Amino acid sequence: GIQVEQSPPDLILQEGANSTLRCNFSDSVNNLQWFHQNPWGQLINLFYIPSGTKQNGRLSATTVATERYSLLYISSSQTTDSGVYFCASSGAGSYQLTFGKGTKLSVIP
Amino acid sequence: EAGVTQSPTHLIKTRGQQVTLRCSPISGHTSVYWYQQALGLGLQFLLWYDEGEERNRGNFPPRFSGRQFPNYSSELNVNALELEDSALYLCASSFGGPTEAFFGQGTRLTVV
Repeated sequence: GIQVEQSPPDLILQEGANSTLRCNFSDSVNNLQWFHQNPWGQLINLFYIPSGTKQNGRLSATTVATERYSLLYISSSQTTDSGVYFCASSGAGSYQLTFGKGTKLSVIP
Repeated sequence: EAGVTQSPTHLIKTRGQQVTLRCSPISGHTSVYWYQQALGLGLQFLLWYDEGEERNRGNFPPRFSGRQFPNYSSELNVNALELEDSALYLCASSFGGPTEAFFGQGTRLTVV
């Protein structure tokens, strides 16, 4: 099945800084999603982005399917952005998501 | 519009017991997915149901099973609970096909 790798595993930022999280996947994908896991464990949808670029406020994402990677950009980070960010994708022939190990983001005041 | 709902939110079971977790998908969604998030092991795919049928299962023993009902809600059953089954169990739903999946708040299971 498809393999998903995220980097970096941990990231510490000063409030107001910008960051880029990366997701590499091993095969062509029919779905790619970014999630933020809140402290209670719920996965919050950030982007559904199998290809192209999307923006939502301070967050944006780009997926370059031909090169098998996706990037999540967080600008002007806030302490409430802290948490774990997951990338997940599914490949041809299957629809269940395979998750990366996540990036743990800590934003300090 | 109601999101994916799971019940119960927390429960504690004794090793060897059986447990049933429940999931109600977003209205109109026909696919339900179950995932396990154990401490230190990331999110692991358990089961996928679509239109009442099991479409795929992850690398879990047969004591993990489930079903999907005609209204597309789903149950996850775990028999002969083991300590390592302690985890957050997450359910997701989507329209059929590779469409955006949405997750419930999860059920936190503790096996003692």
